[in-house]
Amino acid sequence: DAMVIQNPRYQVTQFGKPVTLSCSQTLNHNVMYWYQQKSSQAPKLLFHYYDKDFNNEADTPDNFQSRRPNTSFCFLDIRSPGLGDAAMYLCATSHEQGHDHFGPGTRLLVL
Amino acid sequence: GEDVEQSLFLSVREGDSSVINCTYTDSSSTYLYWYKQEPGAGLQLLTYIFSNMDMKQDQRLTVLLNKKDKHLSLRIADTQTGDSAIYFCAESKGANNLFFGTGTRLTVIP
Repeated sequence: DAMVIQNPRYQVTQFGKPVTLSCSQTLNHNVMYWYQQKSSQAPKLLFHYYDKDFNNEADTPDNFQSRRPNTSFCFLDIRSPGLGDAAMYLCATSHEQGHDHFGPGTRLLVL
Repeated sequence: GEDVEQSLFLSVREGDSSVINCTYTDSSSTYLYWYKQEPGAGLQLLTYIFSNMDMKQDQRLTVLLNKKDKHLSLRIADTQTGDSAIYFCAESKGANNLFFGTGTRLTVIP
């Protein structure tokens, strides 16, 4: 089945230690998104790639970066995680302006 | 700017209908969505409605849109325990930006 895959499902890192979350898709969608969802809150868009074009939301902290080496893969890099970055990170894809398909999420814990 | 609001909690008895409400402020929204999120999982698209429609039905789900009042609702008929989850309303202008509501936690009492 075509899908959005996120690995790992749970990630533990130490305060200040860089961490990378990964997302892959078999849908061949040209748009990929990263959302941050803190406990009991709505998902918040961090950035998205439209093909190779990177689009950062205005209030996304500089600590968060992303890479998209090809259509199928997209990475979220957190350079120096703080305790406030503990959250569920959701990857999503869409085709052009179609509807978002979400992955299962990676829950990040910062110790 | 965009602002999407939902009530936080809803409890219903199994077999009853559930109605989850959402209000939004951006009148230029193109699409309005309902997503379901089960514990520890990602978001599952349940249904969506284009802004020029006022109703959409899909099996047990009925979406009603009152564009004048900027009010969206999701009705789940014959609610089951498996429907217990958080339901998010979201709106977009079709430009790769989804704005989510705060989510409504639906609890189905057996």
